[in-house]
Amino acid sequence: SQTIHQWPATLVQPVGSPLSLECTVEGTSNPNLYWYRQAAGRGLQLLFYSVGIGQISSEVPQNLSASRPQDRQFILSSKKLLLSDSGFYLCAWGRAKGTETQYFGPGTRLLVL
Amino acid sequence: DAKTTQPPSMDCAEGRAANLPCNHSTISGNEYVYWYRQIHSQGPQYIIHGLKNNETNEMASLIITEDRKSSTLILPHATLRDTAVYYCIVRGGTSYGKLTFGQGTILTVHP
Repeated sequence: SQTIHQWPATLVQPVGSPLSLECTVEGTSNPNLYWYRQAAGRGLQLLFYSVGIGQISSEVPQNLSASRPQDRQFILSSKKLLLSDSGFYLCAWGRAKGTETQYFGPGTRLLVL
Repeated sequence: DAKTTQPPSMDCAEGRAANLPCNHSTISGNEYVYWYRQIHSQGPQYIIHGLKNNETNEMASLIITEDRKSSTLILPHATLRDTAVYYCIVRGGTSYGKLTFGQGTILTVHP
């Protein structure tokens, strides 16, 4: 069976500090990978998606970036965090075909102070 | 992707069936109806999806009207652990990967 991991689970960072969130998927190969963000009391916003190693598409201009160094690893980064980056970050994977079902990880709760 | 409309909240007694409605009157022929739920402080959990036929799995049943303009998610025997926000999402094959979550329905299951 497939599993998706995210870490850390919770993170408190000062404004201006860098960020690195990691997501890994087990039990499947060549998945589509996604990063979403959920601000408090809001819906999910797609940030990035990837269909393969080194292939990143950005949905919304941010001070965030994403990378996919390995087939089942997806990393979300920032060089300098803003207060507005606080939120619940969710990684998801889906099989690489049209209307694939997406499965979400447990999420990382980020608080920028 | 078609827009969906869901009631903001619903209540259900434990052990009874929970029927969550969703309107998607602008759905097009190649768009699927997906249901997810999000329990507080957790990632969304996939429940079920369908195109035009009714679907059932170990978690729930999905009833889609013949004109496909609305659907109902049925949790046959709700438990307290089913308390969550339920999202109805319509998504087509050309909308590559993106899931658009609305405000959903807050389902509260009470003893």
